[in-house]
Amino acid sequence: NAGVTQTPKFQVLKTGQSMTLQCAQDMNHNSMYWYRQDPGMGLRLIYYSASEGTTDKGEVPNGYNVSRLNKREFSLRLESAAPSQTSVYFCASMPGGQPQHFGDGTRLSIL
Amino acid sequence: RKEVEQDPGPFNVPEGATVAFNCTYSNSASQSFFWYRQDCRKEPKLLMSVYSSGNEDGRFTAQLNRASQYISLLIRDSKLSDSATYLCVVIPPSGGYNKLIFGAGTRLAVHP
Repeated sequence: NAGVTQTPKFQVLKTGQSMTLQCAQDMNHNSMYWYRQDPGMGLRLIYYSASEGTTDKGEVPNGYNVSRLNKREFSLRLESAAPSQTSVYFCASMPGGQPQHFGDGTRLSIL
Repeated sequence: RKEVEQDPGPFNVPEGATVAFNCTYSNSASQSFFWYRQDCRKEPKLLMSVYSSGNEDGRFTAQLNRASQYISLLIRDSKLSDSATYLCVVIPPSGGYNKLIFGAGTRLAVHP
């Protein structure tokens, strides 16, 4: 996917482990987002960052933290992973007033 | 009631068929509407915006019915490559682009 890069693409964790999902965009967009997608449900917003240095909670922020390291990078951290956090995670970025561009996702399984 | 609801499908149609999906939204003051396409195990991609007057892009037509609070997507002359999940996306009255609300998607399978 042009412009939004997520790493890793796949990860398996044990309950209680921590990890950070990385996201970077090279389109000079101000806004960046983290979503999770679960079967039978729409994408749900975890956190977003409207600009460098700011972050805000979305619909499902519990159990997650984020860092907007600079304009390009927006990371998502699971401090103590739980099986309920098994999901596909998408990062997105957005130019002003336009729909979002998504990364190709991270498939996370927590055992 | 969910904010955005879609029939999950799957809609199984032969090549060349015309198929239509609806998406209902609960907040009558919702501002903007989109259709995204998501291929299996891939990221969502914007298919088209939905304008009040309706809009068309090739074989795809999107319409908005504010009175009944739904949007629709019509695909004519279906191709095998149209097989995907189609996500309805709504911007709520107070959200702006930071608060997109996604439907769970309608799966389309086009067969030879």
